[in-house]
This record gives sequence, structure tokens and C-alpha cells, in this order.
Amino acid sequence: DGGITQSPKYLFRKEGQNVTLSCEQNLNHDAMYWYRQDPGQGLRLIYYSQIVNDFQKGDIAEGYSVSREKKESFPLTVTSAQKNPTAFYLCASALAGVLLSTDTQYFGPGTRLTVL
Amino acid sequence: AQSVSQHNHHVILSEAASLELGCNYSYGGTVNLFWYVQYPGQHLQLLLKYFSGDPLVKGIKGFEAEFIKSKFSFNLRKPSVQWSDTAEYFCAVSSHGSGNTGKLIFGQGTTLQVKP
Repeated sequence: DGGITQSPKYLFRKEGQNVTLSCEQNLNHDAMYWYRQDPGQGLRLIYYSQIVNDFQKGDIAEGYSVSREKKESFPLTVTSAQKNPTAFYLCASALAGVLLSTDTQYFGPGTRLTVL
Repeated sequence: AQSVSQHNHHVILSEAASLELGCNYSYGGTVNLFWYVQYPGQHLQLLLKYFSGDPLVKGIKGFEAEFIKSKFSFNLRKPSVQWSDTAEYFCAVSSHGSGNTGKLIFGQGTTLQVKP
């Protein structure tokens, strides 16, 4: 069953703690993305990776970090430096064909992070 | 900077009514345009996309959108909505420029509620 999995579905964190969100895909996609979704603000790009061992900051990267050691995996760490981390986090991937900007991005089910 | 604006934040319709959701973007170069939908409890998924050719694009479930370059618009339409169309709808833009990263800029989203 191909697709993108994110775990956990719900995550609670105390202030001052780092937490890592998992994203795995078995679609053989080269590009992967992390978005944050807040009510009334749509989705905002945190980080993206077009190829293994390379990633770039998105529009709201402060307080987050990522790694891309394997093609299938793109974990996101929400650090204690992120001032307002409570949100819904979505991971996506795309095939990265000839023109990446036209590729469809496929989304995972999301992780809802709540900071207590 | 690129931006996407969705005019309607919350739309309530009765079944069989016609739907039009507005989307405007600001970017001077060549763009690719997408509409994504998020049904309650489901993944964000692609409804339709435009990147070249016929500006009237047909997507899944009877949806269509028209790209009007002179108006920087990509409005989503459906002639007759069903209760199952209740969802949140997102307009998104990517550009050919900026190194072809596939970065998507999303609008704020429109929540559609269809009354049976």
C-alpha cells in the first residue's frame, strides 16, 4: 500500500522539550516537504528536500530542523526555540520529474502537536 | 514575494447549489496553479492543477477551474454541489523560477459546508 505515513497522529510536549515528527514515504519520490497548518493561515512551508542529503529552509524554518539521510524518510524536529509550536504538521512528497514545480505533491495524514 | 489570497473563508450552500471559490495570486512570472481539498479526517489531496494549455481545467468529482492570466485568478467551480463536498479547499501556486524547487504557496483556505 503506497503512500506517506506520519507518526504519531497526536503528540504532546512540555515547553522546553525538543520533539521529532516522523515522515516516511514508499512512493520512490525524490522531493519531500514539511508544512505547518494553522487555522485561517493555510499551509506554510517549513523545510524541503529535493534529494537525499540536501535540504533547504522554507518560509518559517526558525525553531525547526530536519535531516534527509534516506530517500524514504524526512523527520522534522521541533526545537524548544520554536516560540509557537502548537499546530498541525503535514509532510508531503513529489516525484521530482523534469519540472518539479508542476509535480503534484502527495500529503500524509498529519501530526497534531500540542505544547502543554 | 508571492502570495495567494482566497476571498471566501467560510461558505455555506445547500445541495444542488452552484459553487465558485475565488483565488487570486501575486506573481509576475510563469506559475503553476493547484487546488487541493481536505475532507474531514482525510489527507489533503489534489483536485486539479494547471501548468499550461487550455486555461479551463477539469478535475475530480466534477470540479473545474479557470486560469485567467490577466486577472491573476484561478477560481474553482462546480455546477451542483453535494453534501459530500463538505471540506476545506486550498488554492496553491508554484513558480518556474526560484530554481524549480516545487515550493507551494498556499492560500488561507475556504471551508465549504453543504447542507443536505
